[in-house]
Amino acid sequence: DAKTTQPTSMDCAEGRAANLPCNHSTISGNEYVYWYRQIHSQGPQYIIHGLKNNETNEMASLIITEDRKSSTLILPHATLRDTAVYYCIVRVASFNKFYFGSGTKLNVKP
Amino acid sequence: EAGVAQSPRYKIIEKRQSVAFWCNPISGHATLYWYQQILGQGPKLLIQFQNNGVVDDSQLPKDRFSAERLKGVDSTLKIQPAKLEDSAVYLCASSLGQGVIEQFFGPGTRLTVL
Repeated sequence: DAKTTQPTSMDCAEGRAANLPCNHSTISGNEYVYWYRQIHSQGPQYIIHGLKNNETNEMASLIITEDRKSSTLILPHATLRDTAVYYCIVRVASFNKFYFGSGTKLNVKP
Repeated sequence: EAGVAQSPRYKIIEKRQSVAFWCNPISGHATLYWYQQILGQGPKLLIQFQNNGVVDDSQLPKDRFSAERLKGVDSTLKIQPAKLEDSAVYLCASSLGQGVIEQFFGPGTRLTVL
């Protein structure tokens, strides 16, 4: 059901930027890109979302390519607490059903 | 602000037994969701409520799973009878409304079926 493709796992050094890619080549014009993360033994947590413009908030930045077929979540200065599974989700704004794939396991190492 | 509460946090039962999970969403949140998360996979939506009405239950195995949200606040999810493949974490989430971006998740209930 999920319409996104993400790497299974990635490593990042503490203090460096973590760049998590997501491929959504079949995205429709009215579908948004959302990112959630799930820290071990917790429920998922919302990070950021966007339609076609790049977005930034206090947690992360979202870069969406011009053709909208892929995006990158950027954690500018990763800490050990950012170790989690990161899910990239596409969803029509007015339809609240989320399809979570298997996500990317980000390991932040000291 | 209190988050989404779930109980119990852990449950171990034998196959063919029954089990029930409880969820209390964030106050004022009209939309409530139940997800099933099998180890190593992302969460899968089982059922979505808008107030006390069901919006989507297309992925709920209705022969054994049931859920209700009688007064549009708390919700219970029941499995009767349980199978080995029901072993998973059951997550409850809530949001202000259907078109709202952010879902707030509870800590989940980890079910083990022996």
